[in-house]
Amino acid sequence: EVQLVESGGGLVQPGGSLRLSCAASGSTVRSYWMHWVRQAPGKGLVWVSRINIDGRTTNYADSVKGRFTISRDNAKNTLFLQMNSLRAEDMAVYYCAIDLVSGSGSLQSWGQGTLVTVSS
Amino acid sequence: QSALTQPASVSGSPGQSITISCTGTSSDIGAYNYVSWFQHHPGKAPKLMIYEVSNRPSGISDRFSGSKSGNTASLTISGLQAEDEADYYCSSYTGSGTNTVVFGGGTKLTVL
Repeated sequence: EVQLVESGGGLVQPGGSLRLSCAASGSTVRSYWMHWVRQAPGKGLVWVSRINIDGRTTNYADSVKGRFTISRDNAKNTLFLQMNSLRAEDMAVYYCAIDLVSGSGSLQSWGQGTLVTVSS
Repeated sequence: QSALTQPASVSGSPGQSITISCTGTSSDIGAYNYVSWFQHHPGKAPKLMIYEVSNRPSGISDRFSGSKSGNTASLTISGLQAEDEADYYCSSYTGSGTNTVVFGGGTKLTVL
């Protein structure tokens, strides 16, 4: 069974940047679409982005389009999320997840999340 | 990309059955059989309970079942147990050129 571990979260000022990583172990993830989902403090889950198997197809929520970039390195079994121009409303726990059924959102395996705090 | 609509809370006694609804539109739930349900205990990773409207991943109890009618999906939990108390979220794929995923606002299940 695959395990996912997110890293790269932390405190950043508004307008700053962070790069999140999601390292997979126990199994290869090269055959799966992958997603980022976030949860702001006290709020619900919100979908952020997805990427296909070879990294050539990516999609984003309107709230992050143009500011966030999802990518993957299948050789390193790792997913990334580059976050630029960060805003207070981006503050959340960010989860990575593996899609059981192409890019449909059937998110079978999740990491424990990494906290991004945006504050001056 | 409007969120799917779920009731904020539901409750039930041990042994009872409850149903959580999830209402979308003809562009998401009504258009695709890609509805998923997740169980989330605070501080832990969300857990996939149902995918493709009514399929259970390996290891998920058959007390959990899903269905869909029109633009509304439902999750039913039978034989409620104390450990079922958690937040539950639905999600749906949305095509129509956006090719994104949308979540519901979440439902807090309380086992009385």
